[in-house]
Amino acid sequence: GIQVEQSPPDLILQEGANSTLRCNFSDSVNNLQWFHQNPWGQLINLFYIPSGTKQNGRLSATTVATERYSLLYISSSQTTDSGVYFCAVDSSGTYKYIFGTGTRLKVLA
Amino acid sequence: GAVVSQHPSRVICKSGTSVKIECRSLDFQATTMFWYRQFPKKSLMLMATSNEGSKATYEQGVEKDKFLINHASLTLSTLTVTSAHPEDSSFYICSARDMGSGVQYFGPGTRLTVT
Repeated sequence: GIQVEQSPPDLILQEGANSTLRCNFSDSVNNLQWFHQNPWGQLINLFYIPSGTKQNGRLSATTVATERYSLLYISSSQTTDSGVYFCAVDSSGTYKYIFGTGTRLKVLA
Repeated sequence: GAVVSQHPSRVICKSGTSVKIECRSLDFQATTMFWYRQFPKKSLMLMATSNEGSKATYEQGVEKDKFLINHASLTLSTLTVTSAHPEDSSFYICSARDMGSGVQYFGPGTRLTVT
């Protein structure tokens, strides 16, 4: 099956710093989403981005499907950005998501 | 965005009993819902696909007789953990795909503790 690796596994930032999270996948994908899991476990949908670039406020994402990676950019980080960020991919077209290994982000005040 | 709810949010049960978890899409219809399991500090693992009006399909290694799934309507799927044991303790999360946008939305999760 498809393998989904995220880097870095852990990241500590000072408030106001920028960061880039990476998601590498081993096969072509039909669907890809980025999520933020808050401390209570809720997965918040950030982007549905099987290809191209999207922006939403301080967050943006780019997926280069031909090279099998996606990037999530966080600018001017805030303490509320802390949590775990997951990418999830569907390579079968059945919308069955395989989740990446996650990046645990901590933003310090 | 669309909302998916789960009930209960937390449940504690005794070993050997069964527990039912509900997943509802509140403002959209979903012919397909998914059930995931997450252990502490780990990623989510897909357990099964719930299909409205037909049998669920289970991922390799998931016991279908232990994790019973019913998708009775376009807005409701249930997961029943039968004869629960302490190793079934976990965080269970459902998702539903908004057919219009293609985006999957996730429920808030159910934390199951089996004593």
